[in-house]
Amino acid sequence: QKEVEQDPGPLSVPEGAIVSLNCTYSNSAFQYFMWYRQYSRKGPELLMYTYSSGNKEDGRFTAQVDKSSKYISLFIRDSQPSDSATYLCAMKESSQGAQKLVFGQGTRLTINP
Amino acid sequence: DAGITQSPRHKVTETGTPVTLRCHQTENHRYMYWYRQDPGHGLRLIHYSYGVKDTDKGEVSDGYSVSRSKTEDFLLTLESATSSQTSVYFCATRAGAENIQYFGAGTRLSVL
Repeated sequence: QKEVEQDPGPLSVPEGAIVSLNCTYSNSAFQYFMWYRQYSRKGPELLMYTYSSGNKEDGRFTAQVDKSSKYISLFIRDSQPSDSATYLCAMKESSQGAQKLVFGQGTRLTINP
Repeated sequence: DAGITQSPRHKVTETGTPVTLRCHQTENHRYMYWYRQDPGHGLRLIHYSYGVKDTDKGEVSDGYSVSRSKTEDFLLTLESATSSQTSVYFCATRAGAENIQYFGAGTRLSVL
């Protein structure tokens, strides 16, 4: 079983829809949670960074962490065609030392005009 | 932008040949990482470095070696390339108070 599970999709929604992307994990030591966005043939870029449980909002994006359920989500409101990309969740145990990231598989998202 | 340059961007090679990929950074970051990305697996850590000449293994290090003789350069070597090493390779550095990892544009490697 993988430490981090993410539905690979693909997910296709109309422009303006609310998108929900999710990851589950098995390692209860994970404390820091990230969402990266990756456009085709590009490197991942950080979209959201959260620590522990709760919500964090940045514009149209909201990251949610539920440590009791070992579940994290990324919500995209008013989705735009420019949001079409692969979204990767990532997490790490510590803010010290090597800080190895463990990634989900990535979900490919397409926003249709 | 963490000033990361990966070279080459694309490479095709034959099974059994050695291959070296280069990651160059301009920000003087201490930590550098090499990942591979494959369908169904996301990104997996190959090796990382925490300073000049200081390196350690990641999750999928077999068949790979690394070197870091200067802060700005982190080299990944496939000692004898195999078809299973066909992948997209990403370099990352770590920076800032939250220790965010920033990624390069990737190297697409095909081993025939």
